[in-house]
Amino acid sequence: GQQLNQSPQSMFIQEGEDVSMNCTSSSIFNTWLWYKQDPGEGPVLLIALYKAGELTSNGRLTAQFGITRKDSFLNISASIPSDVGIYFCAGQLTDYKLSFGAGTTVTVRA
Amino acid sequence: EADIYQTPRYLVIGTGKKITLECSQTMGHDKMYWYQQDPGMELHLIHYSYGVNSTEKGDLSSESTVSRIRTEHFPLTLESARPSHTSQYLCASRYRVNTEAFFGQGTRLTVV
Repeated sequence: GQQLNQSPQSMFIQEGEDVSMNCTSSSIFNTWLWYKQDPGEGPVLLIALYKAGELTSNGRLTAQFGITRKDSFLNISASIPSDVGIYFCAGQLTDYKLSFGAGTTVTVRA
Repeated sequence: EADIYQTPRYLVIGTGKKITLECSQTMGHDKMYWYQQDPGMELHLIHYSYGVNSTEKGDLSSESTVSRIRTEHFPLTLESARPSHTSQYLCASRYRVNTEAFFGQGTRLTVV
């Protein structure tokens, strides 16, 4: 499948902080999706992006579809403890497959 | 809320047994997918289907097989389970091109 580079691999958050993560690829995508996965559960869709340059918010989450169509970022504002989990980006290149990044693990800083 | 269900949630089974992981969705989606995921790692596509009687291999080679006899049902079968098959298996569906995919809760398989 198409390789998506997701960074950072992991991050520690303190309650109230704003955090950011991104996905990049050498390929052009026509859809970007951001998911959150809690331990032992399936991924849950957070935000879907369908057009280059599109900026979409869902509560404290904001994601953008890069102008070049090769990248996307996800921001979480004013983080809270329940934001911990693994965040995955997914990109659609062809009409039937979604390729996933390796995930960003978000943990609360002690 | 997504109406896609996987059973069982957890399965511990002995080497050599035949197993079938069930996936059903009530949204009328044509496109369905199976992903394999090791704990904390990325998702790898192992099978997908465009619709009834359509199945294709994904990017990651897998010894499992799938069938799509009904739109709502996309079971995955392992004829002879091995410890190397231990993993989480996630089923997903989507309505059409350029729409979001919805995931089931997953089946965590352990082969002993």
